[in-house]
Amino acid sequence: QVQLQESGPGLVKPSETLSLTCTVSGASVTSSSYYWVWIRQPPGRGLEWIGTLYYSRTTYYSPSLRSRVTISGDTSKNQFSLNLSSVTAADTAVYYCASGYVVGAHDGLFDYWGQGTLVIVSS
Amino acid sequence: EIQMTQFPSSLSASVGDRVTITCRASQRISSWLAWYQQKPGKAPRLLIYKASGLQSGVPSRFSGSGSGTEFTLTISSLQPDDFATYYCQQYDNYLYTFGQGTKLEIK
Repeated sequence: QVQLQESGPGLVKPSETLSLTCTVSGASVTSSSYYWVWIRQPPGRGLEWIGTLYYSRTTYYSPSLRSRVTISGDTSKNQFSLNLSSVTAADTAVYYCASGYVVGAHDGLFDYWGQGTLVIVSS
Repeated sequence: EIQMTQFPSSLSASVGDRVTITCRASQRISSWLAWYQQKPGKAPRLLIYKASGLQSGVPSRFSGSGSGTEFTLTISSLQPDDFATYYCQQYDNYLYTFGQGTKLEIK
């Protein structure tokens, strides 16, 4: 059973970089059996996929965020991270890390989720 | 980017009712559609995969159908635990998108 836990600052100033970490247990971030995902949800609104990390392969990012997003892994800590640069109030949201099983051409199910962490962008 | 549209955006129903939520894709996605349930303050939970596959542990009163561009989630007999927000999500390609959600409330 994969377990995920987000961590990071709950308050970020406008124009700065939002940095969050997801600690993984029950699986290795280097495993070719899983992919690792960040999803966000502005208060009172719907879900938005941010990006996916395949540790031994590649990353995919939402077109609307691609210019500001980096998702990367840290094998030594069994974590993966989200960096979102040049944030504005529109980036205020609950940020979830999630994961799913690699099955091939149609990956994209999110079987496991962290509890989510609220990040507020404000001066 | 594939756009997902859900309707209704909200729905009031009573325990025991049969309810249906619809999700429409802006282009054909075969059966690459999932449904999630989210309760306030909690992470979403995967209910249905590949349009009609029931995730392990999900009660059989939940069912999904559809292919191409039109999909439905049906709850055959609402239980108190089912009042939540439901999201569809397409995974036809690597640029995943969600519907805007349907909030299911108690009448």
